Amino acid sequence: TQLLEQSPQFLSIQEGENLTVYCNSSSVFSSLQWYRQEPGEGPVLLVTVVTGGEVKKLKRLTFQFGDARKDSSLHITAAQPGDTGLYLCAENTNAGKSTFGDGTTLTVKP
Amino acid sequence: ETGVTQSPTHLIKTRGQQVTLRCSSQSGHNTVSWYQQALGQGPQFIFQYYREEENGRGNFPPRFSGLQFPNYSSELNVNALELDDSALYLCASSLKNSAYYGYTFGSGTRLTVV
Repeated sequence: TQLLEQSPQFLSIQEGENLTVYCNSSSVFSSLQWYRQEPGEGPVLLVTVVTGGEVKKLKRLTFQFGDARKDSSLHITAAQPGDTGLYLCAENTNAGKSTFGDGTTLTVKP
Repeated sequence: ETGVTQSPTHLIKTRGQQVTLRCSSQSGHNTVSWYQQALGQGPQFIFQYYREEENGRGNFPPRFSGLQFPNYSSELNVNALELDDSALYLCASSLKNSAYYGYTFGSGTRLTVV
């Protein structure tokens, strides 16, 4: 079973700042997904990356997939309080099952 | 298009009791997966159901069992509850082999075992 390491575990920043969170594995990802989870809710899918070196943008969020497909990053520009939540990465096997990291808890203060 | 709905939202049970959690999958999705999320951790895979049969299981004991019905809804049953079973139980629906599209999660059932 592939283990996903996410860093940092906790991040607290002021509104308007930029930030990057990371997801790493010792094995190659088949595909990687990023989710955001708010308190009391289930995770919501943000993006799927499949190809090594791929970059995807979702408004102020930029997702990168490492060339070797063993790491990924999520960069948020000009963070807003609404970005507060738990950011999870997940590796999805060909059988349709996902292995999740323990996430990065982001707090954006107004 | 309806999302994934789970019931109940919160539940308190006593150690040793049994519990049944329910999930209605998103319209058009034929696969349901169950996850356990302990406080401060990511979701852990319990098992997956496809066409009413178990299609993979995580590292959970047999007292965790499930069902999927012809309408793709699902139940998670836990027998002989232990204190460590206290967690958020998440149901996620998907199309089989649609790894690219990820899961649609419900809001979860918060189970507290006392």
